[in-house]
Amino acid sequence: AQSVAQPEDQVNVAEGNPLTVKCTYSVSGNPYLFWYVQYPNRGLQFLLKYITGDNLVKGSYGFEAEFNKSQTSFHLKKPSALVSDSALYFCAVRDGNRDDKIIFGKGTRLHILP
Amino acid sequence: SAVISQKPSRDICQRGTSLTIQCQVDSQVTMMFWYRQQPGQSLTLIATANQGSEATYESGFVIDKFPISRPNLTFSTLTVSNMSPEDSSIYLCSVEGGGRYEQYFGPGTRLTVT
Repeated sequence: AQSVAQPEDQVNVAEGNPLTVKCTYSVSGNPYLFWYVQYPNRGLQFLLKYITGDNLVKGSYGFEAEFNKSQTSFHLKKPSALVSDSALYFCAVRDGNRDDKIIFGKGTRLHILP
Repeated sequence: SAVISQKPSRDICQRGTSLTIQCQVDSQVTMMFWYRQQPGQSLTLIATANQGSEATYESGFVIDKFPISRPNLTFSTLTVSNMSPEDSSIYLCSVEGGGRYEQYFGPGTRLTVT
């Protein structure tokens, strides 16, 4: 069975600094990996995905994520944080070898300090 | 990406009553999903609804409590029956993307049971 872990409940970053939100996963087959963002009182918005190919994936709003197979990680990054990036971020995984559901992490709240 | 709408956006209901949540998608989709999310928490999958077949429920969720309809490829409803305060949550509708990789989410229905 697949699982995903987000070890940080909250991450605080000063505006303009680089940010990283951590995610590790466990899946028996090929990992399909996703990041979603949820702004207050809004549904989840898809940010980016890794299915195959380049380990560095670029997504919406200047975010990117790096797939690291040996460390089973898929950390979300952005070179320069904006106050508007403050939100709840979810990492998710799906087993690409099976017709399985997406499993979501518990979420990491990102605070960008002005 | 699909555009998903939900009705109602929020409701306050009395214990013992039922509420039906509607989900409308702007394109035809095979699979629709219903999730529950406590505010600021992760998502829990309730059931998967395919058009023309019975919904598949996850462990801990039963059809008598959460009956689902899927009359066509663009619409689904979730009913929360015989509500108790423990049912207070955000209910999210979701559909698969065209490539059967990522999922897209509606804005959610915030339910409060008193």
